[in-house]
Parts: sequence; C-alpha cells; structure tokens
Amino acid sequence: AQSVAQPEDQVNVAEGNPLTVKCTYSVSGNPYLFWYVQYPNRGLQFLLKYITGDNLVKGSYGFEAEFNKSQTSFHLKKPSALVSDSALYFCAVRAPHRGTGKLIFGQGTTLQVKP
Amino acid sequence: GAVVSQHPSRVICKSGTSVKIECRSLDFQATTMFWYRQFPKKSLMLMATSNEGSKATYEQGVEKDKFLINHASLTLSTLTVTSAHPEDSSFYICSARGSDTNTQYFGPGTRLTVL
Repeated sequence: AQSVAQPEDQVNVAEGNPLTVKCTYSVSGNPYLFWYVQYPNRGLQFLLKYITGDNLVKGSYGFEAEFNKSQTSFHLKKPSALVSDSALYFCAVRAPHRGTGKLIFGQGTTLQVKP
Repeated sequence: GAVVSQHPSRVICKSGTSVKIECRSLDFQATTMFWYRQFPKKSLMLMATSNEGSKATYEQGVEKDKFLINHASLTLSTLTVTSAHPEDSSFYICSARGSDTNTQYFGPGTRLTVL
C-alpha cells in the first residue's frame, strides 16, 4: 500500500536560516512525488514535483526538493526562510499508471518562521 | 495557468437542507476532478474521484447518496451535500487534473457550517 510520512508536526526556523521539511514515502514502482503549501483557510498551492530525471527539483518561491530513492525520501528545502513561508506543507505521492492517479497525502507539517 | 475556483467560499445552512458546491477549472480542461474533506489541522481525506461524463468513484466509507458528485463538463464538477447535519461541517476542497499533466491543482476550498 502507498503511504507518505511527514515525521514532524511542526518545524521552527529563524528568518534567513535554511529550512528542511521532511517526507518519506512507500510505494511500489517509481513514484510521482509532490509538495503543496496551504495558507490558513485556503486551498493547496502546488510547489513542485518529481516525476523523473534530475533528483533535485526546483519549484516555486525558491523551494527545492531532493528525491532520494535509496532512502525513499523527498525532503523540501529552502536556503533562506522568510516569515511569509510560514504555512502548512503537505507531501504527496502518486503511484504512476494506476487507476485514477489519486494522491496520498502526508499528515502535514506546520512551518513557523520567526523574525 | 492552472487555476481552479470554488463557489461558494463559505456557506452556513440549517440541518436537513442540501448544499451544492461548485468546482471549476478556469483555464484548462479537467478530465479528472477530486473532492477532499479537511478537518482542522488535519490532512486531506479524499472523498471521491470523478471523470467527465461518468459516475464518480467514492472512497471507502464515503456515502455516495449523501455526497452527490456530478462532473458534467470538462470544466465543472459539483458536490452536493444532501440532508446536511452538523457533523458534515468541514472544509471541502476540490482539485482538478488535465489529461496531459500529472499535477492536481486545487481550489481555494469551501467552509461548510451546518447549524
């Protein structure tokens, strides 16, 4: 069965410092991996995805993520955090070429960036 | 590009009434749309997947007679919560995916409160 784990409920970081939000997955075959961000009372905004190719994926707002097949991880990173990055972040996985292509979401990680 | 809208953004209704939520893809054709429910500070729970012109596929435990989904065109899907009760109060989010993309794009969500 497919699953996604975000081991941290909350990540706190000072503005200007690098940030990492962790994600590990379990899926048979080669996964499609996604990161989304949600601001309060809003829908999810797409940040980036890994389908194939280069393991380092660059996305919106300066975020990037590295696909690590051996560790089954897809951690989200940013070199220098902004206060405006404070939000709820979701990692999601999709098993390719199966069914409707529904996403399986992690439980979410709240990122708090303090000035 | 890839904008998804939802209407209404917020609705309050009396117990026993029905509520319809619309999800529209504004600048692309959505062959598949997804409906999610999100509880406070929790991850998204997939309720159903709908393909244009066919019946929706509901997740286990979701009552299809209570949550009616229609995907009549490539840009519109509707979710009708029938005979709503207070326990149906939640944040409902739709997403849409075109046939040529692996990415789901999310609407801004609808806050339903049943009194």
